[in-house]
Amino acid sequence: EAQVTQNPRYLITVTGKKLTVTCSQNMNHEYMSWYRQDPGLGLRQIYYSMNVEVTDKGDVPEGYKVSRKEKRNFPLILESPSPNQTSLYFCASSETATGELFFGEGSRLTVL
Amino acid sequence: RKEVEQDPGPFNVPEGATVAFNCTYSNSASQSFFWYRQDCRKEPKLLMSVYSSGNEDGRFTAQLNRASQYISLLIRDSKLSDSATYLCVVSAYSGAGSYQLTFGKGTKLSVIP
Repeated sequence: EAQVTQNPRYLITVTGKKLTVTCSQNMNHEYMSWYRQDPGLGLRQIYYSMNVEVTDKGDVPEGYKVSRKEKRNFPLILESPSPNQTSLYFCASSETATGELFFGEGSRLTVL
Repeated sequence: RKEVEQDPGPFNVPEGATVAFNCTYSNSASQSFFWYRQDCRKEPKLLMSVYSSGNEDGRFTAQLNRASQYISLLIRDSKLSDSATYLCVVSAYSGAGSYQLTFGKGTKLSVIP
């Protein structure tokens, strides 16, 4: 089954404790991206990747890192999480940057 | 800053009604346009792409007006299952082989029995 898998789905952590949210897709898509969704602000792009070893900042990259060492994986790293990073995070992939986006089920992160 | 604006709603309509959503975008270089549907606490899913000539998929019709920089979504004969948030998404070339995707904040639709 074609899918985008994110882990963990739910996480409560404390300020400053590094965490990684994994994202994996099995569709051989070149384009992958991360979004956060907050009430009243909609979906905002954090980082995106056009292909392996190519990553670019989206609208809200501060406080996040990504890597794209393999085509299928695009982890999101919070080196030192802060409470303002409490949010619902979505990973997505697409065959191309202008094609249909396939989203993971989301990861709800709470930073205390 | 490139913006995509939508009326947040909520739109509360009776079953069987026709409802229309509009979305405006500020980047005249935008190239691809989409409507996504998002159910409560779920991930967004593609509803339909929007083409210059307009396109229809069953009860759903999407239109693009490049001159006025807006796209629209028309839903005919609304069903209870159409209740969701509808997201307008615009893609524009941002240079060096990259494309920037911008989401609208979404329009919430509630179809009432």
